[in-house]
Amino acid sequence: DSGVTQTPKHLITATGQRVTLRCSPRSGDLSVYWYQQSLDQGLQFLIQYYNGEERAKGNILERFSAQQFPDLHSELNLSSLELGDSALYFCASSHGLSEAFFGQGTRLTVV
Amino acid sequence: AQSVTQPDIHITVSEGASLELRCNYSYGATPYLFWYVQSPGQGLQLLLKYFSGDTLVQGIKGFEAEFKRSQSSFNLRKPSVHWSDAAEYFCAVVGDDKIIFGKGTRLHILP
Repeated sequence: DSGVTQTPKHLITATGQRVTLRCSPRSGDLSVYWYQQSLDQGLQFLIQYYNGEERAKGNILERFSAQQFPDLHSELNLSSLELGDSALYFCASSHGLSEAFFGQGTRLTVV
Repeated sequence: AQSVTQPDIHITVSEGASLELRCNYSYGATPYLFWYVQSPGQGLQLLLKYFSGDTLVQGIKGFEAEFKRSQSSFNLRKPSVHWSDAAEYFCAVVGDDKIIFGKGTRLHILP
């Protein structure tokens, strides 16, 4: 158990819909990262938050957004969903510039 | 910009044989380097990390990796693989406040 909790584990939704993925980092970790993993693109960095503020941005679509709340949990919002958004979404947390600990992921299926 | 290259998408070895997975990074300063392993349907688990000091680092499950600055490499090795090592392996570098992953190497084990 990494200490990072992601909910839900599975999500099935229709095209055009909006979903929210939730991540609770390890206790004391201020950084939260979001990654998307698909068969064709591999593990893609989406965005990083540090203590509530956006720190780095990767290949995140404009339809996607994230935030980190004062209690340090984070949410990834995906809107106007397309079939190609079906993927595993991972959250990871770290304490400063150290190794990241990953959650078990949320498997999103868009039908 | 920092990047990580794992040149081998798939590697197949026989059980009991030795293993080396290649990783090359691009980063201007001294990198923080990691190897993670992902079993099917699971999140990523940290195998080992390099921050500084001894360039040969030991990890969990009998893995080790060697940092070679002159070659910008951080190759992962194991002297004798077990069937349970079949998984996907990711090399990662921390730089500029984010963690960048390679595309992964899928390891197949022959009985």
